[in-house]
Amino acid sequence: GQQVMQIPQYQHVQEGEDFTTYCNSSTTLSNIQWYKQRPGGHPVFLIQLVKSGEVKKQKRLTFQFGEAKKNSSLHITATQTTDVGTYFCAVSSGGQNFVFGPGTRLSVLP
Amino acid sequence: DADVTQTPRNRITKTGKRIMLECSQTKGHDRMYWYRQDPGLGLRLIYYSFDVKDINKGEISDGYSVSRQAQAKFSLSLESAIPNQTALYFCATSSGIYNTEAFFGQGTRLTVV
Repeated sequence: GQQVMQIPQYQHVQEGEDFTTYCNSSTTLSNIQWYKQRPGGHPVFLIQLVKSGEVKKQKRLTFQFGEAKKNSSLHITATQTTDVGTYFCAVSSGGQNFVFGPGTRLSVLP
Repeated sequence: DADVTQTPRNRITKTGKRIMLECSQTKGHDRMYWYRQDPGLGLRLIYYSFDVKDINKGEISDGYSVSRQAQAKFSLSLESAIPNQTALYFCATSSGIYNTEAFFGQGTRLTVV
C-alpha cells in the first residue's frame, strides 16, 4: 500500500527562524495536499500541488512538489508563534482517496 | 455554525458498549469520510462514502461500521468498544477527489475504559 513519510517528526524553533518539513512517498503521486492542525483543533487545508516541480507561495509559506512527483516540502520563513501546530501532507496516486502522512509537529519558542 | 458538525465532542464509554458518533454537514458535499487520529500516526481512514448509496471500507475498518442516512449525515458505530479504539475521531467532507480540499469537523475524543 501507499507509504508516506514525513520528516522531521518534531521540530522546535526559535521565533524568527525558518522551518522546513518534508513529505516522501514510495510511489509516484498524482497530487498532494498540505494541512495544518493547531493544538486541540482539526486539520485545515492549506494547499494542493499537482504539477511536477510546482512551487506555490502563501505569504511566509512556500510549498514545492518534487520533479519526480514523489516528494514535497513545506517551508516557513521567519516562524511566528501562530505557526505552532502539526503539518500533514496527504497524498494521492490517482486512487479514490488521499493517504495522510504522520505529520510534523512544530513548536515555536518566543 | 460549523460546516461539519460532530457529536458528541467527548465521550467516555466502557468496554463492550455500543457507541455511535454522528456527523452532519451543511456544505452540500457528496463525499464524507471518517478518520481516526492517534499520536504519531496521522489520520487513518476508517470508512468513506461518495453518495448516499455508497459505502466503502478504508484502511482500518475492522471493529467499525457506518451509516449514510442522508447526503448530509454520516454516522460511525463501534458495535463493541475496546480500549484500543480510544482515539480522536474526525469526520470530513469533500466535493470530489481532484483539486478539492477536505473540510474536517471539530473531532470527537473517545475514551474506552
